[in-house]
This record gives sequence, structure tokens and C-alpha cells, in this order.
Amino acid sequence: DGGITQSPKYLFRKEGQNVTLSCEQNLNHDAMYWYRQDPGQGLRLIYYSQIVNDFQKGDIAEGYSVSREKKESFPLTVTSAQKNPTAFYLCASTGAVNSPLHFGNGTRLTVT
Amino acid sequence: SQQGEEDPQALSIQEGENATMNCSYKTSINNLQWYRQNSGRGLVHLILIRSNEREKHSGRLRVTLDTSKKSSSLLITASRAADTASYFCATVTSGTYKYIFGTGTRLKVLA
Repeated sequence: DGGITQSPKYLFRKEGQNVTLSCEQNLNHDAMYWYRQDPGQGLRLIYYSQIVNDFQKGDIAEGYSVSREKKESFPLTVTSAQKNPTAFYLCASTGAVNSPLHFGNGTRLTVT
Repeated sequence: SQQGEEDPQALSIQEGENATMNCSYKTSINNLQWYRQNSGRGLVHLILIRSNEREKHSGRLRVTLDTSKKSSSLLITASRAADTASYFCATVTSGTYKYIFGTGTRLKVLA
């Protein structure tokens, strides 16, 4: 079955630690995305990548970093510089611009 | 922020009633998409309407688009308890790969 896998489902970290969220897709999609969702809120774009070895900042990139070394993988690192990292993080992909996004089931990150 | 707005923020209806939610956006678009999110899960694509279309149907879903007002509406007819979820609109800024989501409408359908 093709899809997007985000792991782990729940992640707990201490303040001041960097943490990396995994996103893997086997849909052969070129474009991949990371969104942040806070309780009762919409999705805000963190980073997106149209193609391997290239990525662009979204609306809330500060305190986050990404890499796109392989087509299938788009890991997101939440750094200690992110002031309020506790949130639900969603990864998505699409095969062509303007086509629907396919989403993973998210990682809920709690930083204490 | 480029984030679109949706209203109402929350909607509670009885099973069998129709649910209407609205979305406004800010940029020039190629299409507008609606998604559904069950609690604690990822989003699932429902329907896409192109900028040159005014209305589109899919099963119990009806979407309208008014590009002059930069707004869209999603109508769910004969709602069911299983329709309980959050619904989001999304637009792609013309000339980019940037998908921007609205703030969402939380729909609760009471059995």
C-alpha cells in the first residue's frame, strides 16, 4: 500500500533538546511538506520541498530545519531555538503542483 | 499571515440536516481544495474545484467558488454522525508549490 509514514506517533522531549521527526513516503511524489497544528487551530506551513536537495521556508520556519537527501524522506528537526515546540506535526506530499496533498497521521510532540 | 479564514469555527447539527461551511482566502489561486480531519489524524482530501469552475458536486458534497469574492463554501447534505470531523479549505498560491490552509470548521453531527 502506498502512503506516508510518520514516526513516532507520540514524542516527548526535555526543553533545550533538539528532536527529529521522521516522514517517509512511497508514493513517488516529488513535493513534500511539513505543517504544524496547534489545538483547535488550522495548519501552518513550516517548510516544503519541491524536489530532492531543495527546500523552501514556509510561514513559520524559525526554530526548525529540514533536509531532503532522498525523494522518499523529508525529516524535520525541531531545534532548541523553537520557543513553543509542543504541537501536532503533519507531513504531506503531492505528485504535482495543484494536485491534492496526501497526509501522514502526524506526530504529537510534547516538550517539557 | 497568509492563512485563510473559515466560518463558522464550530457547527453542531442533528443527523439528517445539512451543514454549510465557508472559506475565504487571500491570494490568486489555480484551485481550491477541501479536506477533512478526524480527531488526532492526518487530513484526507475531499474535493477540488478549479478557479474557472463555480460549482462542483461529489456524492453528498457540494462546493461553490466565487473568485471575485475570494470565497468558497462546502455543503454536506443529509449529514451523518460519521461526518463529525474538522473541515479545512486549502489554496495553492499561483506560480508556487505553497499550499495554504484555512483555520478550519469543527463539525459535530448529533445522532
